[in-house]
Amino acid sequence: NAGVTQTPKFRVLKTGQSMTLLCAQDMNHEYMYWYRQDPGMGLRLIHYSVGEGTTAKGEVPDGYNVSRLKKQNFLLGLESAAPSQTSVYFCASTPPDRAYGYTFGSGTRLTVV
Amino acid sequence: KQEVTQIPAALSVPEGENLVLNCSFTDSAIYNLQWFRQDPGKGLTSLLLIQSSQREQTSGRLNASLDKSSGRSTLYIAASQPGDSATYLCAVRRAGGTSYGKLTFGQGTILTVHP
Repeated sequence: NAGVTQTPKFRVLKTGQSMTLLCAQDMNHEYMYWYRQDPGMGLRLIHYSVGEGTTAKGEVPDGYNVSRLKKQNFLLGLESAAPSQTSVYFCASTPPDRAYGYTFGSGTRLTVV
Repeated sequence: KQEVTQIPAALSVPEGENLVLNCSFTDSAIYNLQWFRQDPGKGLTSLLLIQSSQREQTSGRLNASLDKSSGRSTLYIAASQPGDSATYLCAVRRAGGTSYGKLTFGQGTILTVHP
């Protein structure tokens, strides 16, 4: 049981380039999330999804887009990367049932130069 | 707006000591509280999940308590070991029909256990 898998693990982009981060979960969870983690800022929610075909904005959505075409996958896109998007990105999932907690992926370390 | 605060920001203790990490939150309308561990350069590993109706949860040397009415949780680590060195994060799951499971995180406590 892999849980939540994120690809790639590391990436260096030049300013203005685009990329997509992939998150895949095999637990049949309805809810999925993208967070970014920055020193001194903690974990901040970028976008989230409550089911296949749905997406919603979190606290810091600007500069990012997301898609949830399949229940098990949640994609985070950067259309035109900026140095301010240098961060560690985490994907997480959970069932709607509040009795369950979050499962996190291992993260993607992105550097924009 | 929910705010989560963790005290202390950093803690250094000798091996074998019992220690307490604190987490406070401003809005008691929560479904649950989760404690995570994060090793340098790694993801978050769930340690304990406490439902809002519970007072405590235990796993091995870890014990987490929750006092929802006062907005506080503590993580107790018994007989600390160097392998416990990591950042510990607490997060509350917001209550309400439109919360959609969203978590609010504290900034974390960096724990160092030295031999």
